[in-house]
Amino acid sequence: QVQLVESGGGVVQPGRSLRLSCAASGFTFSTYSMHWIRRAPGKGLEWVAVISYHGSDKYYADSVKGRFTISRDNSKNTLYLQMNSLRAEDTAVYYCAIGGNTYFDYWGQGTLVTVSS
Amino acid sequence: QSALTQPASVSGSPGQSITISCTGTSSDVGSYNLVSWYQQHPGKAPKLMIYEGSKWPSGVSNRFSGSKSGNTASLTISGLQAEDEADYYCCSYAGSSIYVFGTGTKVTVL
Repeated sequence: QVQLVESGGGVVQPGRSLRLSCAASGFTFSTYSMHWIRRAPGKGLEWVAVISYHGSDKYYADSVKGRFTISRDNSKNTLYLQMNSLRAEDTAVYYCAIGGNTYFDYWGQGTLVTVSS
Repeated sequence: QSALTQPASVSGSPGQSITISCTGTSSDVGSYNLVSWYQQHPGKAPKLMIYEGSKWPSGVSNRFSGSKSGNTASLTISGLQAEDEADYYCCSYAGSSIYVFGTGTKVTVL
């Protein structure tokens, strides 16, 4: 069955970096676009970034552009999110999700990132 | 990109029908029939309920239905059940591979 398992979350100081991973199994990872989506405490969902199936095309929300980088390793069935210059407002549960045509087909359980001094 | 506007809460009794609205702009909801809806129970991952405005993913009950008029999309839940109590989010494609979510609606089954 389809599985997406996020990892790499934790507590980090403002201005520091963190890299999230999403291990995929149960489907042909290399043929799907992949997304990162987050939910801040007490707030709604926010789309963060998308990467094409081959990894060449990447798009970001304005709120993270220039600070976050999405990437993937199709040989390892793994999606990544490199987060630099972290801010308090980046505190959230981060989910990876399989890209349907223009929707999010299946989501992982999420990993919590807390940015605090 | 500004979040799409949803009511903060909607409630109904078991067996009733409720409708959640999702209002955007001519740049997102109004330009594309590409609104999707997600259900999220506390502490759980979101689940796709409707895609491309009105289509059901495999395994989703047809008690859930989607529609759109102008810049507003809607999700209707018919025959409300206790298990439907959750947060619901709409999401619209906004062009250039960008997506925008709604503010979220808490559904309470009375």
